[in-house]
Amino acid sequence: KNQVEQSPQSLIILEGKNCTLQCNYTVSPFSNLRWYKQDTGRGPVSLTIMTFSENTKSNGRYTATLDADTKQSSLHITASQLSDSASYICVVSGSNDYKLSFGAGTTVTVRA
Amino acid sequence: EPEVTQTPSHQVTQMGQEVILRCVPISNHLYFYWYRQILGQKVEFLVSFYNNEISEKSEIFDDQFSVERPDGSNFTLKIRSTKLEDSAMYFCASSGGAGGRGETQYFGPGTRLLVL
Repeated sequence: KNQVEQSPQSLIILEGKNCTLQCNYTVSPFSNLRWYKQDTGRGPVSLTIMTFSENTKSNGRYTATLDADTKQSSLHITASQLSDSASYICVVSGSNDYKLSFGAGTTVTVRA
Repeated sequence: EPEVTQTPSHQVTQMGQEVILRCVPISNHLYFYWYRQILGQKVEFLVSFYNNEISEKSEIFDDQFSVERPDGSNFTLKIRSTKLEDSAMYFCASSGGAGGRGETQYFGPGTRLLVL
């Protein structure tokens, strides 16, 4: 069964600090990996999408990395802002189907 | 910026009743999806739809569920006889282009369904 595991489950950081979120997956064959940001009570919003040939991709203060060999990805948030408080979800797509496998998310709380 | 819209935002229904959740995908998109998220749990894939037919569905999407694109704009999810465990947030998503598998999926704001 395709699995997407994220860590930590939650974290609290001070405004202006950096943090890194982790994602491990077992989806195979692999097509792409996405990071989404989900505010409470809202739909997920795409941050980055990477295929197996891409090692890193940035979107403003968000930088995602991918190691397709070890099936690991990370999302780095630089100079966090209060508006970064949200759940960050790692989502993996297999190459055989359209459905996305979602991780449980990491809840990030940024405090002033 | 174009966005996916969903109605209603909240729906309360009695167990056993039928509900229809409505979505208007982004206008030039070709692939449509439904997901659900039970409170406190991860988002789960339900079904994908392309070219007026289901392209994929999960084990959750049983005979109680159906999807339809009745006109050129709406995409609906029908639950025929709701159960308590159908209570969840239901998200519609759409993606465009011929490369549906690799494309970004844009999510709507969700419909929160509560079955009593």
